[in-house]
Amino acid sequence: ETGVTQTPRHLVMGMTNKKSLKCEQHLGHNAMYWYKQSAKKPLELMFVYNFKEQTENNSVPSRFSPECPNSSHLFLHLHTLQPEDSALYLCASSQAETGFAEAFFGQGTRLTVV
Amino acid sequence: GEDVEQSLFLSVREGDSSVINCTYTDSSSTYLYWYKQEPGAGLQLLTYIFSNMDMKQDQRLTVLLNKKDKHLSLRIADTQTGDSAIYFCAESSPTSGTYKYIFGTGTRLKVLA
Repeated sequence: ETGVTQTPRHLVMGMTNKKSLKCEQHLGHNAMYWYKQSAKKPLELMFVYNFKEQTENNSVPSRFSPECPNSSHLFLHLHTLQPEDSALYLCASSQAETGFAEAFFGQGTRLTVV
Repeated sequence: GEDVEQSLFLSVREGDSSVINCTYTDSSSTYLYWYKQEPGAGLQLLTYIFSNMDMKQDQRLTVLLNKKDKHLSLRIADTQTGDSAIYFCAESSPTSGTYKYIFGTGTRLKVLA
């Protein structure tokens, strides 16, 4: 149990579907992150939230829409995705105010777009 | 921008030492990290080093930092089959009151019995 829970663990969706990924942390952290993990590519930072405010959008296409209603919950809303969006989506949280902080990761959602 | 590079694969025999290398670009990174990802799991922090250190040892793990060349390495002594995993190098940089973590591709370590 890492303290960061992601649901669902696996998701298969068509290109015209709308779905959401959910992330929840009970560690009292202020920052939450979405990462995309694809084979043979660097772990790609998508979004950063600090105290519910988005601080970083790493040029992510608008078909990915994040939502952070409070410091404990983070969503990634998906619509009209492409097959190349198939990947493992990882959520993380940290209490990174002083430069060092451990980022705690969830187990990820394995997304397949068909 | 920030960029972290690692080789993709490393294969070693059980009992040997493994050395995983990484280069990074952001010279302002205060901390550099090594994370481990086991199959079906998220990443877990393995160790880290403060940027004013050259070396850090933690049991079987040795981290070496060459700040001039922006090169980081992780040495695992007496590598065991349970060490088989993907190892990620990461640097952190500030972003609006918090920090973001930039990761490499990960190095897949395979330990042969």
